[in-house]
Formats: sequence, C-alpha cells, structure tokens
Amino acid sequence: AQSVTQLGSHVSVSEGALVLLRCNYSSSVPPYLFWYVQYPNQGLQLLLKYTTGATLVKGINGFEAEFKKSETSFHLTKPSAHMSDAAEYFCAVSDYAGGGADGLTFGKGTHLIIQP
Amino acid sequence: DTAVSQTPKYLVTQMGNDKSIKCEQNLGHDTMYWYKQDSKKFLKIMFSYNNKELIINETVPNRFSPKSPDKAHLNLHINSLELGDSAVYFCASSQGVRLLNTEAFFGQGTRLTVV
Repeated sequence: AQSVTQLGSHVSVSEGALVLLRCNYSSSVPPYLFWYVQYPNQGLQLLLKYTTGATLVKGINGFEAEFKKSETSFHLTKPSAHMSDAAEYFCAVSDYAGGGADGLTFGKGTHLIIQP
Repeated sequence: DTAVSQTPKYLVTQMGNDKSIKCEQNLGHDTMYWYKQDSKKFLKIMFSYNNKELIINETVPNRFSPKSPDKAHLNLHINSLELGDSAVYFCASSQGVRLLNTEAFFGQGTRLTVV
C-alpha cells in the first residue's frame, strides 16, 4: 500500500524567503504524486501533480516540486514566500484500485507560517 | 457557481443520532468521493462512486452509508453517531477515475461535532 510522510507539521519562513516543504512517499507501483493546499475554512485546491514525464513540475502560485525516484521524494518549493501562502499543505499519492478509481492517500499536512 | 457544494457546513449533534451530509457537483463529473479529515488533519478516503456505482469502499463502519441518487449527488448518511465520528468530511469529484488524467475538486467540508 502507498503511504506519504510529510516532515514537519509546522514550517515557519520569513516573507520573501525560500519555502521548502518535504514529502516522502512509498509505493509499490510508479506513483502519481500531488500537492494540495487548504486555506482556512476552505476545501483543498490542487497545486500541482506529477504523473509521468518531466520530473520538475510547476504549479499555481509560483510553486514547483521535483520528483526524485532515488530519494522517493516530492518536495514542494517556492523561491519567495508571500503572506498569502500561509495555509495547510498536503502531499498525496494515488492509490490505483486496479479497475476501480484512484483514491488519494494524504500525508498529515504541513502548516506553513509566513513571518512578516 | 460553486463547483462542489456540501450542506450543512457545520453540524452539531448528539451521540446516537442519525444524520446526513449532502454533496452536489455542477461540473458534470462522473466520479465522486467522500474523505474524512480527523482532528489531527489526517485525510483519508472513505468512498468513491463512478456513474452512481460504488468503486472504492474503504474500511469504515457500516454505520456510514453513501447514497448516489444521480451522478451529480453523493450523500453520506451516518447512523448511531459516536464521539469518534467528529471530523471534517470532504466531498470531491473528478471526471474519470484515473487522477493521472484528471483533477479532483473538493468541497469546503462539513465539520461534524458529536457531543
């Protein structure tokens, strides 16, 4: 079964600084990997996803993530943090149910705090 | 023009009651999901329906029963509510079942509190 580990339940960075949110996964099959963001009192919004092809994936709001198979990682980065980036971030891997649907297995989330 | 809408947004109820959460999507998607987010913000899939057919049924108590009257709706009925059912429940939808090719859109969640 697939699983996701997000290192650090809280990450605090200064406005304008680099954002790095870590995600490691385990999967017995080639994974589909996702990053979602959850703003307060809102649902989840897809930031980006990796399926196949280019390992560096660009998403919305200036975020990007790199799939590294050798490290089983899919870390999320943004060069310069903005106050509006403060939110909960979830890494997820797809569980292909073989003939069924892809359910998502989520990590426990990382709360990103932006210091002024 | 909300894409995936859930009602109610908040639900407070007593142990032992039966309650339902409704979900509707106006995206024309054929696949809908229910996820549960616990107090530690851990998200886990519960059910998935494709064209009104159940295709994912994770290990959840049989007190939870999803109902899909049509492709645009997936309701969640919970019998004999317990304290441990307190959580935020998210509905989601996608076009197709393979997230390789599509995206899951989530509702805003229903915060259920059992007292």
